[in-house]
Amino acid sequence: EDQVTQSPEALRLQEGESSSLNCSYTVSGLRGLFWYRQDPGKGPEFLFTLYSAGEEKEKERLKATLTKKESFLHITAPKPEDSATYLCAVRDRDFNKFYFGSGTKLNVKP
Amino acid sequence: DGGITQSPKYLFRKEGQNVTLSCEQNLNHDAMYWYRQDPGQGLRLIYYSQIVNDFQKGDIAEGYSVSREKKESFPLTVTSAQKNPTAFYLCASKGLAETQETQYFGPGTRLLVL
Repeated sequence: EDQVTQSPEALRLQEGESSSLNCSYTVSGLRGLFWYRQDPGKGPEFLFTLYSAGEEKEKERLKATLTKKESFLHITAPKPEDSATYLCAVRDRDFNKFYFGSGTKLNVKP
Repeated sequence: DGGITQSPKYLFRKEGQNVTLSCEQNLNHDAMYWYRQDPGQGLRLIYYSQIVNDFQKGDIAEGYSVSREKKESFPLTVTSAQKNPTAFYLCASKGLAETQETQYFGPGTRLLVL
């Protein structure tokens, strides 16, 4: 069965303290790994899509990387406004069906 | 502005009552999805539809029903058979072309039981 596991469940950082979030997956025929940001009480906001091992994408203080078994979301010098829950999802060979992890709740203190 | 709208933002259900959550999109997407989100858990797929008048059950379809009479609309009914409906419900849509890989989400509806 396709599965997505995110760690840690929660992460508290000081402003400027860089760190990484992990998303490990087991899927039969990966057709994309997706990162989303979700603020409390709102719908997820798309960040990145990765397709193949070795691929990297960046946006401001965020960089996503992908291996054959996992993806990392690196946060460099975070600011309080980066506080949110970060969700990871994979799309399998069914093409239009997605499986989500439970998320990492990030709290950045000033 | 193109996007997905969900209404209402908050919905209260009495025991034994069916309630319907609205989802509308003007992105011209063929595929639409309903997810349920509980605290500390990931999004779980309830139903999805890739074309008008056709839809498939997701992982937790019991106690829910949907219809897809128009491309733009995918309403979700939470029936009285769903014994634990309190959750945050998210609607999403996506194009079917290989270049349209991203799911876009609406703002969500929070359902509470009175």
